[in-house]
Amino acid sequence: DAEITQSPRHKITETGRQVTLACHQTWNHNNMFWYRQDLGHGLRLIHYSYGVQDTNKGEVSDGYSVSRSNTEDLPLTLESAASSQTSVYFCASSQDRDEAFFGQGTRLTVV
Amino acid sequence: GENVEQHPSTLSVQEGDSAVIKCTYSDSASNYFPWYKQELGKRPQLIIDIRSNVGEKKDQRIAVTLNKTAKHFSLHITETQPEDSAVYFCAVYTGGFKTIFGAGTRLFVKA
Repeated sequence: DAEITQSPRHKITETGRQVTLACHQTWNHNNMFWYRQDLGHGLRLIHYSYGVQDTNKGEVSDGYSVSRSNTEDLPLTLESAASSQTSVYFCASSQDRDEAFFGQGTRLTVV
Repeated sequence: GENVEQHPSTLSVQEGDSAVIKCTYSDSASNYFPWYKQELGKRPQLIIDIRSNVGEKKDQRIAVTLNKTAKHFSLHITETQPEDSAVYFCAVYTGGFKTIFGAGTRLFVKA
């Protein structure tokens, strides 16, 4: 069955370190998204991609970057982790204007 | 950019009662409106969606209504059950295939 997986599921890192969260989907979807989820804010869009070599900034992109070198993967990099980036991160994929499928989430703690 | 407002933020109902959650959006070009349910510690999952050429859609105990003129859409859950307790997110597809989420409604169904 097709799926979307994130790794790691939990991560603790120190302030200032570079961190990369992985997202891999086997749906063969063109669209991939990264969201962060914080209490009271719902799901806020960080970055998104409509295809290979395409990346776009979302509403909360400062301090984050993504790259899309193939259809299946959209890794999210925190250039220099800050305590304000402690959150639960969800990756999602979709095809055209259709249902988004979410990964299991990554709980990131920056200490 | 697109702004999605969701109300109420918390909703408590008695088992068997109905629950209604409402979302408003700002981009008149939006044409796909999904609703996601997120149980504690789980990923968001689609429960129902509606497209702009339809005014209402129903699936067993859940229904969604859309008023494009007023730019709002609502989720209706009838005969609520304890397993309906979760966080519900409305979402709007904006220009391209980007999905913007509301802040979420935490629904409590009391037995």
